[in-house]
Amino acid sequence: EDQVTQSPEALRLQEGESSSLNCSYTVSGLRGLFWYRQDPGKGPEFLFTLYSAGEEKEKERLKATLTKKESFLHITAPKPEDSATYLCAVQAGSGGSNYKLTFGKGTLLTVNP
Amino acid sequence: GAVVSQHPSRVICKSGTSVKIECRSLDFQATTMFWYRQFPKQSLMLMATSNEGSKATYEQGVEKDKFLINHASLTLSTLTVTSAHPEDSSFYICSAVRAKFGYTFGSGTRLTVV
Repeated sequence: EDQVTQSPEALRLQEGESSSLNCSYTVSGLRGLFWYRQDPGKGPEFLFTLYSAGEEKEKERLKATLTKKESFLHITAPKPEDSATYLCAVQAGSGGSNYKLTFGKGTLLTVNP
Repeated sequence: GAVVSQHPSRVICKSGTSVKIECRSLDFQATTMFWYRQFPKQSLMLMATSNEGSKATYEQGVEKDKFLINHASLTLSTLTVTSAHPEDSSFYICSAVRAKFGYTFGSGTRLTVV
């Protein structure tokens, strides 16, 4: 069974204080690892997809990296508007279920001004 | 782009009644859509995979007779919660896949059963 564990569950930062969120996973045959941002009462908003160990992607203050066991979402000099829940999900391929995503519980990030 | 519209955003219903939630892909055709449920401070849990023109595939533990899914066209999937009870109160989210755009999610439906 595919498993995704995110840590920490919650993180409070001061504006400008950089940090990282962790997503560790156990899957058979990783096809892709996804990062989403979710605001309260909204659906997830796509951030990144990573496909292979060593891959990195950046978008504004966010940078996602991937190893064979985990992914990190680095937040550089965060702003209050970066406050949200960040979700990690994996897609593992096996026959007809190769489009399913398995999500972690998320990290609730709060950035104080 | 790849836009998924979900309606309604909030619904309150009485216990024992049925509620229908719609999920539409606005600018693309989606042969596959997914329905998730999310409880407070919990992860998104996949309920079922909806395939256009065929029966939905339900995850283990999800009652297919209670959560009816219809994917009658390439742009519309519906989830009907039948005989709703307070324990069905949750946040329901749909998703669709589009090549090169990946997974796109609807804005979610907050269901409250009273």
